[in-house]
Amino acid sequence: DQQVKQNSPSLSVQEGRISILNCDYTNSMFDYFLWYKKYPAEGPTFLISISSIKDKNEDGRFTVFLNKSAKHLSLHIVPSQPGDSAVYFCAASRSTGNQFYFGTGTSLTVIP
Amino acid sequence: NAGVMQNPRHLVRRRGQEARLRCSPMKGHSHVYWYRQLPEEGLKFMVYLQKENIIDESGMPKERFSAEFPKEGPSILRIQQVVRGDSAAYFCASSPNSQGRGGYGYTFGSGTRLTVV
Repeated sequence: DQQVKQNSPSLSVQEGRISILNCDYTNSMFDYFLWYKKYPAEGPTFLISISSIKDKNEDGRFTVFLNKSAKHLSLHIVPSQPGDSAVYFCAASRSTGNQFYFGTGTSLTVIP
Repeated sequence: NAGVMQNPRHLVRRRGQEARLRCSPMKGHSHVYWYRQLPEEGLKFMVYLQKENIIDESGMPKERFSAEFPKEGPSILRIQQVVRGDSAAYFCASSPNSQGRGGYGYTFGSGTRLTVV
């Protein structure tokens, strides 16, 4: 039962343009969401988070948007850089739980 | 201030052998989590531990898998009588609080890649 879904396995974007990565979830009890970035042969690295009391959180080139009614979140990277090429995972949790539920990841390639 | 340290990075075991994966959390982190990533899949929660306590093992297979986080030393994920389906990347994460909240999530280690031949 995949409660967090990333339906695009891959995405290619030109350097300098915007990258938009999408994530959908099914459990309305989720109230905290994160994005992780992962390079090959390394562990995931925390990127940005958002609580369900907000609909947007921004950190430099990275912005996460949350649409609770649609159970959808997205990560915007602008401008995209070649170093952003990695696999991006979204994850969700609920305040009464002990775990994060991860999506299957989107592989982003930023073309110079 | 080292991050989360996992060893070994790569582990090859024959079917039926035991695999022991070690994880030392970040300094000051008392909450440890183990996740598994099967090929082409996302990370799946296995177990959540604090020192000398298993808090939540709802993601652990019922047989052959066990975990501990002793008072002294690293957390250990132990897989007995490994089978080919255990081949995966096993990631350990730590956090200073129980849910990785507060704007920083967990800190993950680089993982142990287990191959069962």
